[in-house]
Amino acid sequence: EAGVAQSPRYKIIEKRQSVAFWCNPISGHATLYWYQQILGQGPKLLIQFQNNGVVDDSQLPKDRFSAERLKGVDSTLKIQPAKLEDSAVYLCASSPQGEQFFGPGTRLTVL
Amino acid sequence: GNSVTQMEGPVTLSEEAFLTINCTYTATGYPSLFWYVQYPGEGLQLLLKATKADDKGSNKGFEATYRKETTSFHLEKGSVQVSDSAVYFCALSEFGNEKLTFGTGTRLTIIP
Repeated sequence: EAGVAQSPRYKIIEKRQSVAFWCNPISGHATLYWYQQILGQGPKLLIQFQNNGVVDDSQLPKDRFSAERLKGVDSTLKIQPAKLEDSAVYLCASSPQGEQFFGPGTRLTVL
Repeated sequence: GNSVTQMEGPVTLSEEAFLTINCTYTATGYPSLFWYVQYPGEGLQLLLKATKADDKGSNKGFEATYRKETTSFHLEKGSVQVSDSAVYFCALSEFGNEKLTFGTGTRLTIIP
C-alpha cells in the first residue's frame, strides 16, 4: 500500500514570496491533516479536512495561509506571502478513522 | 487546553542500555495517548498507543503504561539497539476527536 506522498521535499524561498505544498493521501482515507513542525518543537495542527470539508482550521493563520482539498483527495497548502517564521517542516497526514499516517514532509526555508 | 511535556533531549545511550523517556500530559476528559517515532529522513510513525487508564501499549520491545493518577505515559525499552536511534514524540488526542497534540520530541542516539 502506498503511503502519504508529499512534494516538494525541500523548498527555499525569500520572504514575501509565495509557496505551495502538495499532499496525496492514502487511497480511501477520508481525513487529511496539515501540521507545521518548527525546528525543536512538536508538530502543530494547522488544518483538518473530512473529505473535502474543513473540520478544524482554528490554528491556521488565515491572513497568509490557505488550504484546499478538491474532490476529497489531494490537498494543497499555500503560504502567501511567506515570513521568516514560516521556516518549518510541513507534514501531511491521512486517516481512515483513528490512526494517522504521516508523509515525509516538506522542509521550507524562508530567507 | 491540552498539552504534553516530554523529557528534554538529546539522550545518548550505549547499546543494550535501559531506556526511559518521560512524558506527562494535561487534558480535559479522557484522552488517548500515543508515542510516535521519526527515523532519520522518514515521516512520523505510530509506535504504540493506549486509550484508557492502566492500558499498556507495546511494540518493537517498547512499552508505555497510561497512568491517570500521575498523568504520565513514559516510554521504556529494556535493551536498546543502534537502530532505535530516532526522535520520539509523545502525543494525545481527546476522546471523540482525532486531533493530535504533540510534545516537543526527544532525540535518542544509541552508540555501539
